[in-house]
Amino acid sequence: QQQVKQSPQSLIVQKGGISIINCAYENTAFDYFPWYQQFPGKGPALLIAIRPDVSEKKEGRFTISFNKSAKQFSLHIMDSQPGDSATYFCAASRETSGSRLTFGEGTQLTVNP
Amino acid sequence: KAGVTQTPRYLIKTRGQQVTLSCSPISGHRSVSWYQQTPGQGLQFLFEYFSETQRNKGNFPGRFSGRQFSNSRSEMNVSTLELGDSALYLCASSSRRTPYEQYFGPGTRLTVT
Repeated sequence: QQQVKQSPQSLIVQKGGISIINCAYENTAFDYFPWYQQFPGKGPALLIAIRPDVSEKKEGRFTISFNKSAKQFSLHIMDSQPGDSATYFCAASRETSGSRLTFGEGTQLTVNP
Repeated sequence: KAGVTQTPRYLIKTRGQQVTLSCSPISGHRSVSWYQQTPGQGLQFLFEYFSETQRNKGNFPGRFSGRQFSNSRSEMNVSTLELGDSALYLCASSSRRTPYEQYFGPGTRLTVT
């Protein structure tokens, strides 16, 4: 059962544009929603995360928007740069289930110069 | 602080053989989780260890096993390798204070021929 669905599968954005990646989850028991960035040959790196009691969280050029009623959350990358080109994964977990993360399918982001 | 380290980085095995992968968590982290990453299935949770005890287990066959040592280092073992076990195996660690914030190693690329 795929509990976290991510879209789009791939995304091409021009330098300076806004990249938007969306995720939807099914399990309402999830209470922690991180985003990971993965470059080729590297492991995923924690980018930013949010809890359901907050509707938005911003860190630099990265913003998470969270809609609890719709069970959706999204990552916005402002002023996208070629160095942002990577695969992005959303994930969800329940604090009571330890460290287990359920990942989305991933989005391959390409930022053209 | 050094990050999560995994050894070996690359491994080629033959069907039917067994393999052992090693993970050293970030200093002070006592929780270690393992994930399998493949193009078709994405990132899937294998198991989690905390204080030498398996705390959580994903939906993988019994051929996949793991253990954790008193120094928090962890190993995972795959017996009777199948072609479908070819994947990037990722280890992640987290602290007791923030168990949901997981930090990944670079992974071990396993190829089964």
